[in-house]
Amino acid sequence: EAGVTQFPSHSVIEKGQTVTLRCDPISGHDNLYWYRRVMGKEIKFLLHFVKESKQDESGMPNNRFLAERTGGTYSTLKVQPAELEDSGVYFCASSQEYAHTAGDYGYTFGSGTRLTVV
Amino acid sequence: LAKTTQPISMDSYEGQEVNITCSHNNIATNDYITWYQQFPSQGPRFIIQGYKTKVTNEVASLFIPADRKSSTLSLPRVSLSDTAVYYCLVGDNDYKLSFGAGTTVTVRA
Repeated sequence: EAGVTQFPSHSVIEKGQTVTLRCDPISGHDNLYWYRRVMGKEIKFLLHFVKESKQDESGMPNNRFLAERTGGTYSTLKVQPAELEDSGVYFCASSQEYAHTAGDYGYTFGSGTRLTVV
Repeated sequence: LAKTTQPISMDSYEGQEVNITCSHNNIATNDYITWYQQFPSQGPRFIIQGYKTKVTNEVASLFIPADRKSSTLSLPRVSLSDTAVYYCLVGDNDYKLSFGAGTTVTVRA
């Protein structure tokens, strides 16, 4: 089966601009998550969708970040306006179950989008 | 969430067995132990998960002592392609995966 796909793989934008990241989860996975790692820091949770509904967005850093999941399929993460501290790698993951006890396969992560704000 | 402690880095040679120990002294009764692997420019990849005793799959083995306050990921006969960061995660019914700094394993020829 196809894995989790993220687009673009890299993005360089200027401070104040808008960027939209896209994630296509594995088909049939109701649960979709966004994580990110900013420079020198650990990978941190941003938010969790179950189908099209936001279950938890407690990790979103501020209101410049907006995530959507149209029709419970792909998801987008928009940063508007982008700031220098938003630079980092944004990962998307999907799963059927939404717990650590996620069967034998856990969560499947995409390769990430490396965002650089200059 | 239970806090985990693992070595920052480990070096090994091809063909050797690599054992990474993770401490999780305040693990809760319902917590599972999960290990992820991450290659450069890729997202984390699930390796193995266990609750107690020993779990083995085609990639690795996970040893968990009776008190569950630590766990050891064992990679048999590593190759250069096993060079990666390995993360130990502990949690139960929680979708917020908590990644620490991980252990950078470097395999040399």
